[in-house]
Amino acid sequence: AQSVTQLGSHVSVSEGALVLLRCNYSSSVPPYLFWYVQYPNQGLQLLLKYTSAATLVKGINGFEAEFKKSETSFHLTKPSAHMSDAAEYFCAVAESNFGNEKLTFGTGTRLTIIP
Amino acid sequence: GAVVSQHPSRVICKSGTSVKIECRSLDFQATTMFWYRQFPKKSLMLMATSNEGSKATYEQGVEKDKFLINHASLTLSTLTVTSAHPEDSSFYICSARDSPWDTQYFGPGTRLTVL
Repeated sequence: AQSVTQLGSHVSVSEGALVLLRCNYSSSVPPYLFWYVQYPNQGLQLLLKYTSAATLVKGINGFEAEFKKSETSFHLTKPSAHMSDAAEYFCAVAESNFGNEKLTFGTGTRLTIIP
Repeated sequence: GAVVSQHPSRVICKSGTSVKIECRSLDFQATTMFWYRQFPKKSLMLMATSNEGSKATYEQGVEKDKFLINHASLTLSTLTVTSAHPEDSSFYICSARDSPWDTQYFGPGTRLTVL
């Protein structure tokens, strides 16, 4: 069974500061890993995904994440926070079983940007 | 990018009535669609997976007679909440993908309020 743990339900950073959102996963097979962003009353938008290629994945809006198998982690980072980054962020894992890739989501991290 | 729409975005209904929510893939053929439920300040919970032309596969604990899913075409899936009760009030989000190795694209969600 697969699972995702997001450490910190709320993270606050100052505008221009580093953003670090933590995600650890558990999977019985090589995982596919995703970060999604959700703005209030909206659906989810894909930020980036890892599918067993490069371990450092670059996404939209300046975000990137690094897959570390030894640490079973897939933390999301952005060098300089912008006010528009304030949102809910979800990490998700899918076990790469062909034709049966259900996403399991973490509980989310609410990112607040301090002006 | 791939676009998924949902209709309606918000619906309020009386207890005991049925509500239908539509999920459409606008610029790709969605062989598989997923229905999620999101409680306030909680993560997404997968309710069911539907493949075009087949019966939906429901997750454990989800009542298939309560949440009817139809995926009759490659661009449309519907979720009908039958005999809705206040505890069914939630944010329902669909996602769609073209192939098993493709990313899931999420709709904007439908907020259901049952009075």
